[in-house]
Amino acid sequence: DGGITQSPKYLFRKEGQNVTLSCEQNLNHDAMYWYRQDPGQGLRLIYYSQIVNDFQKGDIAEGYSVSREKKESFPLTVTSAQKNPTAFYLCASSSYGAGGTDTQYFGPGTRLTVL
Amino acid sequence: GESVGLHLPTLSVQEGDNSIINCAYSNSASDYFIWYKQESGKGPQFIIDIRSNMDKRQGQRVTVLLNKTVKHLSLQIAATQPGDSAVYFCAENYGAGNMLTFGGGTRLMVKP
Repeated sequence: DGGITQSPKYLFRKEGQNVTLSCEQNLNHDAMYWYRQDPGQGLRLIYYSQIVNDFQKGDIAEGYSVSREKKESFPLTVTSAQKNPTAFYLCASSSYGAGGTDTQYFGPGTRLTVL
Repeated sequence: GESVGLHLPTLSVQEGDNSIINCAYSNSASDYFIWYKQESGKGPQFIIDIRSNMDKRQGQRVTVLLNKTVKHLSLQIAATQPGDSAVYFCAENYGAGNMLTFGGGTRLMVKP
């Protein structure tokens, strides 16, 4: 897991509620990412941020929102507009954003379940 | 983006044997590839990477081979151990910036 932490590990949400997933990194990485993983499937990109105070939509951004006010933090809010939010959410970070290619390192994940 | 896929969804090997996990990619412009290992309930763990100017790269008990002619990537694990049991993903860099496309994953099962 390196220097990337996610909390909580498990999260339960009632329908109609917004919930926020935390992601913090102490690797001094410029770029951070949020992915969604459904059972037996690969990772799909929700949002990414290549620099503080800037972020871009990924492939499945509808029903999610993010902020990047600090370099080390990239919280993800799952809104009530997300119709099927039950999934495993993974945060990642990398040294470079737009300036080159580098490995993305992942946090331990948050499993969100809608009751 | 273009897709990255895997030939075999499940691979079962005997402990001590060598394992080979394959991955096909379709974006000829991709210049960076990564293999990740994901254990149940955990985040993906970086194993090894390779850039497009290389054909082979070795790590500890792992080797990645890149064949750009047929757009094929493979991960070889030597002397497979029970602790190697996991799902393995390949990923390719695409487009502007450090963006990755992930394959669907291959489950490796090691029999004692």
